[in-house]
Amino acid sequence: AQSVTQLDSQVPVFEEAPVELRCNYSSSVSVYLFWYVQYPNQGLQLLLKYLSGSTLVKGINGFEAEFNKSQTSFHLRKPSVHISDTAEYFCAVTSGGGGKLIFGQGTELSVKP
Amino acid sequence: EAGVTQFPSHSVIEKGQTVTLRCDPISGHDNLYWYRRVMGKEIKFLLHFVKESKQDESGMPNNRFLAERTGGTYSTLKVQPAELEDSGVYFCASSQDLRVNYGYTFGSGTRLTVV
Repeated sequence: AQSVTQLDSQVPVFEEAPVELRCNYSSSVSVYLFWYVQYPNQGLQLLLKYLSGSTLVKGINGFEAEFNKSQTSFHLRKPSVHISDTAEYFCAVTSGGGGKLIFGQGTELSVKP
Repeated sequence: EAGVTQFPSHSVIEKGQTVTLRCDPISGHDNLYWYRRVMGKEIKFLLHFVKESKQDESGMPNNRFLAERTGGTYSTLKVQPAELEDSGVYFCASSQDLRVNYGYTFGSGTRLTVV
């Protein structure tokens, strides 16, 4: 069975500092990996996804993530965060074929001035 | 293009009552998914429709939950009777195609509180 672990439930950081949100997954089959963001009172918005190819994936709003198969990780990074990045971030995995997404528990990113 | 629409956005009901949540997917999206997030836990899959057929309902918690998608357009999720542990945020998502690169578009969710 697939599972996703987001290692930090809350990450406080100051504006313009770098941030890394950690995600580890377990799966016995090939996977596709996603990061979603949920701003207050909004739905889940796709930040980026890894399907195949280059292990460094760039997404919206300056975020990027690196797929590391040997460490089964898909950590999300941003070199300089803004107040507007304050939100909850979810890592998710699927084996594809229209199958369900398996989500991690979410990480609340709080950016302080 | 209109996104995935869910309503109501919030619902507060008493234990034992019935609640019906509605999801309007993006027009033309055959695939419709329901997910739920209970407070403090991860978002969990409930079920997947392809048009009006249930493709996978392995995540439905029990028979108090009934999902329908008549005509393959909008979907409803009924909880009858509601219990306290049903409180949470219910998300709907739709997808045009089963190929993973098409991705999923999520609605804003319905926050259900059972008191």
